[in-house]
Amino acid sequence: GAGVSQSPSNKVTEKGKDVELRCDPISGHTALYWYRQSLGQGLEFLIYFQGNSAPDKSGLPSDRFSAERTGGSVSTLTIQRTQQEDSAVYLCASSLGLAGFKDTQYFGPGTRLTVL
Amino acid sequence: ILNVEQSPQSLHVQEGDSTNFTCSFPSSNFYALHWYRWETAKSPEALFVMTLNGDEKKKGRISATLNTKEGYSYLYIKGSQPEDSATYLCASSNAGNNRKLIWGLGTSLAVNP
Repeated sequence: GAGVSQSPSNKVTEKGKDVELRCDPISGHTALYWYRQSLGQGLEFLIYFQGNSAPDKSGLPSDRFSAERTGGSVSTLTIQRTQQEDSAVYLCASSLGLAGFKDTQYFGPGTRLTVL
Repeated sequence: ILNVEQSPQSLHVQEGDSTNFTCSFPSSNFYALHWYRWETAKSPEALFVMTLNGDEKKKGRISATLNTKEGYSYLYIKGSQPEDSATYLCASSNAGNNRKLIWGLGTSLAVNP
C-alpha cells in the first residue's frame, strides 16, 4: 500500500516568507507526527496528533510554527516569517495510534527547507 | 534534560564483517526504545520497537538487545553487506517526557564491498 507522502520534496524560500509543508499519512493511521532535523542535530519532535484529541504542540520551537490535521488525515505544517535557522529537513510520520509512542512510526521522505 | 547517546558516530567495515553499536538512554521512567535505519535519499525505516528489559529482537541478520535497568541497547549486524550501509538511529521514550521520542544522532555505517 501507499506509504507516507510529503510535499514539496524541496523548498527554497526567502527569509520572512511563509511556507506550508504537507503530509499525507498512511490510510487508517490515527497518529501523525512532525519532526525536523537540522544540520548536525538529531531528529527533533515538533507536534503529535492522535485521533480527535488535542494535539501535543510542546515541541514547536516558536509561535511562528503551527500545524493542522484536517479530517483526521492530511496535515500541514506552516512556518510564518521564516528565519534562516528554520532550514532543516522536516519529516512526517504516522502510526496506527494503538499504543502511543510504542507504535512503530512510518516516515515520509521529508521536505528539505532552505531559507535564504 | 533527557539525552540519547549513540556510539560510535561512524563505522567503516568490510563486507562479511559483523558489527555492533550502542544506544544509551535514560533508564528512569523508561517506556520504549526504537531502532530505525535511514538510508541516504530514503525515509527512515523502522527496525525494532522494544519495551521489556532483557528483550531481544531479530530481523534477518540484524538483532537488538535491551537493558532498561542500566539504560542501553545494542544493535548487531551479522555478516554486513553493502546494502546495510545507512545511518542507524535509536530513540527513547520515557514517561518523564510525556513519552515523546528523544532521538540520538545515529551511527553511520559504511560497508565496503
